[in-house]
Amino acid sequence: AQSVTQLDSQVPVFEEAPVELRCNYSSSVSVYLFWYVQYPNQGLQLLLKYLSGSTLVKGINGFEAEFNKSQTSFHLRKPSVHISDTAEYFCAVNKEGNTPLVFGKGTRLSVIA
Amino acid sequence: DTEVTQTPKHLVMGMTNKKSLKCEQHMGHRAMYWYKQKAKKPPELMFVYSYEKLSINESVPSRFSPECPNSSLLNLHLHALQPEDSALYLCASSQDPGQARNQPQHFGDGTRLSIL
Repeated sequence: AQSVTQLDSQVPVFEEAPVELRCNYSSSVSVYLFWYVQYPNQGLQLLLKYLSGSTLVKGINGFEAEFNKSQTSFHLRKPSVHISDTAEYFCAVNKEGNTPLVFGKGTRLSVIA
Repeated sequence: DTEVTQTPKHLVMGMTNKKSLKCEQHMGHRAMYWYKQKAKKPPELMFVYSYEKLSINESVPSRFSPECPNSSLLNLHLHALQPEDSALYLCASSQDPGQARNQPQHFGDGTRLSIL
């Protein structure tokens, strides 16, 4: 079985400071990993994905994530956050069979002016 | 702007009403999904359609009835819902059901459903 753990339910950070949102997964097979962002009253938007190749993945809005197989992690980072980054962030991993995504519980990023 | 369009954006209905949620995409995607999302929770998968055929039903109560009339449209028919069914209902699509594991899903902005 596959699961995703987002270690922090809430992360407050000051504007222009760096941020890291943590995600760990468990899987017995090769995985595909995704980060999604959900702004208030909207659906989920793909930030970035890791399928294979380079372990450092760059996404939209200045976000990046690093796949670490030995630590089974896929942490999301941004060197300098903006107020507009305030949102809910979900890490997701594929699931065996036909169901492609298993979501973590989400991390609420709050950027403080 | 989202490429997956959901209507209506908001819906209030009584427990005896019948209503439908609609989802449309024109990206040529052949996998479509319904999710239910409660406040401060991740989306929960309800149904998956692959090539217009229902491939996954995550033990959803029969008061929710999905339908995929063609490759661009996905409906969710609602009847005799309960107050606990109040939630945000999200539709999503992905390109190729055979490659679903490595493909991102594209989400609509959802329908916020309130059951009185």
